[in-house]
Amino acid sequence: GAVVSQHPSWVICKSGTSVKIECRSLDFQATTMFWYRQFPKQSLMLMATSNEGSKATYEQGVEKDKFLINHASLTLSTLTVTSAHPEDSSFYICSARDGRLGVFGQGTRLTVV
Amino acid sequence: GQNIDQPTEMTATEGAIVQINCTYQTSGFNGLFWYQQHAGEAPTFLSYNVLDGLEEKGRFSSFLSRSKGYSYLLLKELQMKDSASYLCAVSANTGFQKLVFGTGTRLLVSP
Repeated sequence: GAVVSQHPSWVICKSGTSVKIECRSLDFQATTMFWYRQFPKQSLMLMATSNEGSKATYEQGVEKDKFLINHASLTLSTLTVTSAHPEDSSFYICSARDGRLGVFGQGTRLTVV
Repeated sequence: GQNIDQPTEMTATEGAIVQINCTYQTSGFNGLFWYQQHAGEAPTFLSYNVLDGLEEKGRFSSFLSRSKGYSYLLLKELQMKDSASYLCAVSANTGFQKLVFGTGTRLLVSP
């Protein structure tokens, strides 16, 4: 079946630094990918829709200058958390649609200290 | 916009049957998904409904009523490993067919 690979699985960074998370569709092309954030014991909250070759579409309340999304190819989207703060610590998950099915990456646990 | 509601927590015993409900309000409905998520892991696909009725897949079944904006996930012969969160997600045919998730239901299966 379709596989989405997300890297890194976990990362610890210092407050004020930036962190890049990669999301790759391994055996299918994804013109659209989705980025979610999940806080402990909560559901997935859609942050933005990543579109190959164009600007991302952000959900209401998500700062586009803080969460930079680049979708440079049909198999790769990146999310960069800029000037990270402890409140950005969360589980970030990407997803790509393979036909009707949403396939999820493994997720990235970000801890900002 | 979309509004999706599920119970926060449910408990059940091993071998029993449990039904997890999901109600939704959305424009441009294009399907409803159920995912299972264990703590610290990504969601895994369980079922998909786009037409009214029941979809059965082994121990798991999912039902949809579009007119009522209602779905449920039925889990039979519960096992301890079924303890997880169950996420209801709705796909809209507007924009990029994004999946919007409900609040999620944490299911605890006890011996």
